[in-house]
Amino acid sequence: NAGVTQTPKFRVLKTGQSMTLLCAQDMNHEYMYWYRQDPGMGLRLIHYSVGEGTTAKGEVPDGYNVSRLKKQNFLLGLESAAPSQTSVYFCASSLGGGGYEQYFGPGTRLTVT
Amino acid sequence: SQKIEQNSEALNIQEGKTATLTCNYTNYSPAYLQWYRQDPGRGPVFLLLIRENEKEKRKERLKVTFDTTLKQSLFHITASQPADSATYLCALFGDGGYQKVTFGTGTKLQVIP
Repeated sequence: NAGVTQTPKFRVLKTGQSMTLLCAQDMNHEYMYWYRQDPGMGLRLIHYSVGEGTTAKGEVPDGYNVSRLKKQNFLLGLESAAPSQTSVYFCASSLGGGGYEQYFGPGTRLTVT
Repeated sequence: SQKIEQNSEALNIQEGKTATLTCNYTNYSPAYLQWYRQDPGRGPVFLLLIRENEKEKRKERLKVTFDTTLKQSLFHITASQPADSATYLCALFGDGGYQKVTFGTGTKLQVIP
């Protein structure tokens, strides 16, 4: 039981390049989320999904897209990376809404130059 | 706008004492409040959840209180140990989903042997 895994762990991009971050969970959770964490800002919700085939915007969705084609996977895409997207990205999953604990992945450290 | 405030300063306490961390919020009516622990370079780990109609929750050496009148949650670690040193995050969840999940910036706790 691996829990929540994230790929890659580190990445450096040049401005304008694109990439996809992969999140996978093996706990059969319905809900999945993408956060970014910046110094002094706390965790901020980018996008989330309440089930396979569904996605919704969080607090800071601009510049990101997501897809949940399979229940166990949640992809975060950056179409044209900007330096402001330099951050640590965390994926999380849970059985349900706010009354359930979230399980976080180890994070992806992304630098955009 | 919604705002969560946690002790911005690091908290240093002596081993064996009780650590008390504060989470204050404004312009929010959370249905749930959760506390997480985060170690450097790792994703947050869930500790405790408390609902809006609950005053107090305990788990081993951990206790959380929730005062919706004061708009405050207190997180206590009794008989603190150096292994408790970490950053502690509070998170507020609105009823019905994760549209209104908001994390605090965290309080760094250092337990001195």
